[in-house]
Amino acid sequence: GENVEQHPSTLSVQEGDSAVIKCTYSDSASNYFPWYKQELGKRPQLIIDIRSNVGEKKDQRIAVTLNKTAKHFSLHITETQPEDSAVYFCAASRNSGNTPLVFGKGTRLSVIA
Amino acid sequence: GAVVSQHPSRVICKSGTSVKIECRSLDFQATTMFWYRQFPKKSLMLMATSNEGSKATYEQGVEKDKFLINHASLTLSTLTVTSAHPEDSSFYICSASGTSGYNEQFFGPGTRLTVL
Repeated sequence: GENVEQHPSTLSVQEGDSAVIKCTYSDSASNYFPWYKQELGKRPQLIIDIRSNVGEKKDQRIAVTLNKTAKHFSLHITETQPEDSAVYFCAASRNSGNTPLVFGKGTRLSVIA
Repeated sequence: GAVVSQHPSRVICKSGTSVKIECRSLDFQATTMFWYRQFPKKSLMLMATSNEGSKATYEQGVEKDKFLINHASLTLSTLTVTSAHPEDSSFYICSASGTSGYNEQFFGPGTRLTVL
């Protein structure tokens, strides 16, 4: 089955700096890679996702890159703000509606004002 | 976007009792629902995959007789924690996948279960 590794587990950055979180996956058939932001006691919120037919996707300060050959994908947050502080999870799955997501262990991001 | 509700949001029960958690897709039909459990400072761990009208598929290590899942309609799945014990205390989150063919999942707000 799929296995997703996520690094780092914790990340502290100064406000305004960039943050990068990296994930690797094992199942070459996976082709859907979402990123979630979770605040304490709340549900995971989808912030960006990418499918295997593209290598990069950007939405304002957030971007995701995908390298299918190397089986890794990364989340980039630029111009970080204190409200970006949360736990971020990457996930991977096959592009099928009844296939569950496999999550990484999460990265606790702290943006220091 | 699609909305998934979960009820109750928080429950405290005595050891040995059973607790039922409901997960509803409010504005779309969910052919598949997933149940996750999340312990403090940990990631989401898949418990089971639930397809409407059929038996749930449980992940290894998850007791199907303890965590009863019913997906009787395209908008409702329930998780019953039977004979709950303190070690079952956790944050339970459901997600629902629609019929678009893509795997975007929509998460419920979660249920915080505390077993005394």
